[in-house]
Amino acid sequence: KAGVTQTPRYLIKTRGQQVTLSCSPISGHRSVSWYQQTPGQGLQFLFEYFSETQRNKGNFPGRFSGRQFSNSRSEMNVSTLELGDSALYLCASSGTGITEAFFGQGTRLTVV
Amino acid sequence: AQKITQTQPGMFVQEKEAVTLDCTYDTSDQSYGLFWYKQPSSGEMIFLIYQGSYDEQNATEGRYSLNFQKARKSANLVISASQLGDSAMYFCAMREGRYEKLTFGTGTRLTIIP
Repeated sequence: KAGVTQTPRYLIKTRGQQVTLSCSPISGHRSVSWYQQTPGQGLQFLFEYFSETQRNKGNFPGRFSGRQFSNSRSEMNVSTLELGDSALYLCASSGTGITEAFFGQGTRLTVV
Repeated sequence: AQKITQTQPGMFVQEKEAVTLDCTYDTSDQSYGLFWYKQPSSGEMIFLIYQGSYDEQNATEGRYSLNFQKARKSANLVISASQLGDSAMYFCAMREGRYEKLTFGTGTRLTIIP
């Protein structure tokens, strides 16, 4: 059974640009959550999608957005990048049981 | 108040010894779940163990066990017979109610000494 796949693994972008990150959940999982990890703020919840609907959103500016497709794959987009957006972005995949949440390897974004 | 507190920023443990990583939590929900993850330097978050608030027995997964003390709101991770490959950051996390959102602690960096 394939795990959670995040692409790309690494990205370098310039301030002001936008970026799109992708997450393919475990087959059969319908919930995808996104997290930002930085040395200063730790792991922070961005948003969660279930069956193409955003169910929950963290405390991030509107520059951070996401969506989920009918095959449960999810993308997150960050517009007008700032230096502070440099982080490891992790997505988690959850099935119908509440006892599991599996993460991908993350996308390391560097904004210069 | 912090929802998840991990008071040990770093720990050094001799190989083959057991180690306990502390985690306390704060919630008013009756239904919640507690997770432990391992994050090696590669960045991937590896799921280790889960404990539900209604589970009466402590969770175990191989060398990992969770010492769940509900009245004290603590969920400590115990790793038996530590190995060099256990060196990593360890995060405690909580899911409350019916939401998928995980709230994480600040983590503990564990270093196993040969």
